[in-house]
Amino acid sequence: KQEVTQIPAALSVPEGENLVLNCSFTDSAIYNLQWFRQDPGKGLTSLLLIQSSQREQTSGRLNASLDKSSGRSTLYIAASQPGDSATYLCAGSGGSYIPTFGRGTSLIVHP
Amino acid sequence: DAGVIQSPRHEVTEMGQEVTLRCKPISGHNSLFWYRQTMMRGLELLIYFNNNVPIDDSGMPEDRFSAKMPNASFSTLKIQPSEPRDSAVYFCASSQMDRSGNTIYFGEGSWLTVV
Repeated sequence: KQEVTQIPAALSVPEGENLVLNCSFTDSAIYNLQWFRQDPGKGLTSLLLIQSSQREQTSGRLNASLDKSSGRSTLYIAASQPGDSATYLCAGSGGSYIPTFGRGTSLIVHP
Repeated sequence: DAGVIQSPRHEVTEMGQEVTLRCKPISGHNSLFWYRQTMMRGLELLIYFNNNVPIDDSGMPEDRFSAKMPNASFSTLKIQPSEPRDSAVYFCASSQMDRSGNTIYFGEGSWLTVV
């Protein structure tokens, strides 16, 4: 069964800083990995989806990488802004295609 | 498309009452998920439907929980009888799932409080 871990659980950074969120998974036979954003009181919004055949995906200031051999994914946020404050979750899908979620990283970007 | 639609958004009920949560997935999606989110346990999968058929219900906590998907555009999650420990946010999500997987779209959630 896929297990997903996210480190750190919480992160506070000043505006403008580049930062990296980490996600590790136990089953290297992963079909895809997704990063989501969750604002307080809201549902999850998909940010990036990396297929198993891909190494990275980019969207604006966000870049996500996938290293299946080491069981790791990272989400890189460039030039962070207060509006980036949210909880970021990663989810890995294995043989069952069912996403398993990490506990998330709670990010605060202060002005 | 309006996205995944869930109702009710908020519900407060007394212990022992029946609770029914509803979900309308995105049109054309073949997969539907019910998740529960709590501070203690994070986001847990309760049940997964593919083409309206329950594929994995191993996450359903106990017999008090049941889920149905009578057609491609509607699903319900029912708790009977409800207990205070069922208080959580229940999310419905849908996707067009294939071998490579695809983006999952979440509803806004149903915030349940059982007193």
